[in-house]
Amino acid sequence: EAQVTQNPRYLITVTGKKLTVTCSQNMNHEYMSWYRQDPGLGLRQIYYSMNVEVTDKGDVPEGYKVSRKEKRNFPLILESPSPNQTSLYFCASSLAGRSYEQYFGPGTRLTVT
Amino acid sequence: AQSVTQLDSQVPVFEEAPVELRCNYSSSVSVYLFWYVQYPNQGLQLLLKYLSGSTLVKGINGFEAEFNKSQTSFHLRKPSVHISDTAEYFCAVSDQGFQKLVFGTGTRLLVSP
Repeated sequence: EAQVTQNPRYLITVTGKKLTVTCSQNMNHEYMSWYRQDPGLGLRQIYYSMNVEVTDKGDVPEGYKVSRKEKRNFPLILESPSPNQTSLYFCASSLAGRSYEQYFGPGTRLTVT
Repeated sequence: AQSVTQLDSQVPVFEEAPVELRCNYSSSVSVYLFWYVQYPNQGLQLLLKYLSGSTLVKGINGFEAEFNKSQTSFHLRKPSVHISDTAEYFCAVSDQGFQKLVFGTGTRLLVSP
């Protein structure tokens, strides 16, 4: 089954404790992206990757890091989480040149206390 | 820069009634417009897209949208909604290179019996 998986689905952590949210897709997609969803703000792009070893900032990259060492994986790293990063996070992927047709993961709900 | 505006944060409607969810866009170049749907506790999925051609586009689950260049709108419509249409709907615009999507803030459709 074609899918985007994220782990963990739920995470409660404390300020400053480094964490990684994993994202993996099995569709051989070149394009991958991370979004955060906040009430009243919709989805905002954090980082995206056009292909292996090619990443770029989205609209709200501060406080986040990403890497793309393999085509299927695109982890999101929060080196020193803060309460304002409490949010619902989505990973998505698509074929190159078709980023409008993105396949989304189920989401990761992160709470930073 | 492109942007989309969804003026209605929530639209309550009775089952079998028609519904229209409004979306207005802003762009200085050619636009490509999309509607995504997010069912409760799930990621987003593409509902329909406008890339070129006919201004009336049909999507999944009986939804359709009309691209109106003079009014810079891309409203989503369904002639008769079901309880299962209860979800959040996001309008989105893409740049010409399809390198990123910019989402609106979303409209929550609440269908009651």
